[in-house]
Amino acid sequence: EAGVAQSPRYKIIEKRQSVAFWCNPISGHATLYWYQQILGQGPKLLIQFQNNGVVDDSQLPKDRFSAERLKGVDSTLKIQPAKLEDSAVYLCASSPKGIYEQYFGPGTRLTVT
Amino acid sequence: AQSVTQLDSQVPVFEEAPVELRCNYSSSVSVYLFWYVQYPNQGLQLLLKYLSGSTLVKGINGFEAEFNKSQTSFHLRKPSVHISDTAEYFCAVTFNSGNTPLVFGKGTRLSVIA
Repeated sequence: EAGVAQSPRYKIIEKRQSVAFWCNPISGHATLYWYQQILGQGPKLLIQFQNNGVVDDSQLPKDRFSAERLKGVDSTLKIQPAKLEDSAVYLCASSPKGIYEQYFGPGTRLTVT
Repeated sequence: AQSVTQLDSQVPVFEEAPVELRCNYSSSVSVYLFWYVQYPNQGLQLLLKYLSGSTLVKGINGFEAEFNKSQTSFHLRKPSVHISDTAEYFCAVTFNSGNTPLVFGKGTRLSVIA
């Protein structure tokens, strides 16, 4: 079974630029999560999708972050414009319906200069 | 609100020695507990989980954890560590039904010394 795929793995941009991350969850997993992991901290939820609907985006800085999950499969997370404090690893995770554990992708490491 | 505290940010230990990584949680409802491991430049891998039943949970790579409801703890243990166990370890909690977000601790960096 293929795992959660993410791209790119690394991205360096200047502040005020835009960036997008892509996630392909495990086949059949209805729930998809985006987490932000700042250096030295644990991951924190940004947004949760159930199929193609948003379940929880209360922690998403909506003035600059946006996310979508078209057709309930792949998802993209966008930052526009980026700030220095957005430097972090962005992790995508997925889980089947009704299951507690989540399966994580390798993450995208974003550096904003 | 649920929260997780990992009491040690760094734990150095000699190879083949035992190790315990501590985790305490705060919640007013029933919880489900997890330990994840993160190797450098990789995502998180599930080590073990407590959902219900026996409070002693065994996971991969020889790790185990014990759920203690009265002390609201879920400490991770391994009787003999290897160099390859060097990594960041995260304790996480979720609640209610499945498909709810995980709340993570800040992580414990385990460094195994030869």
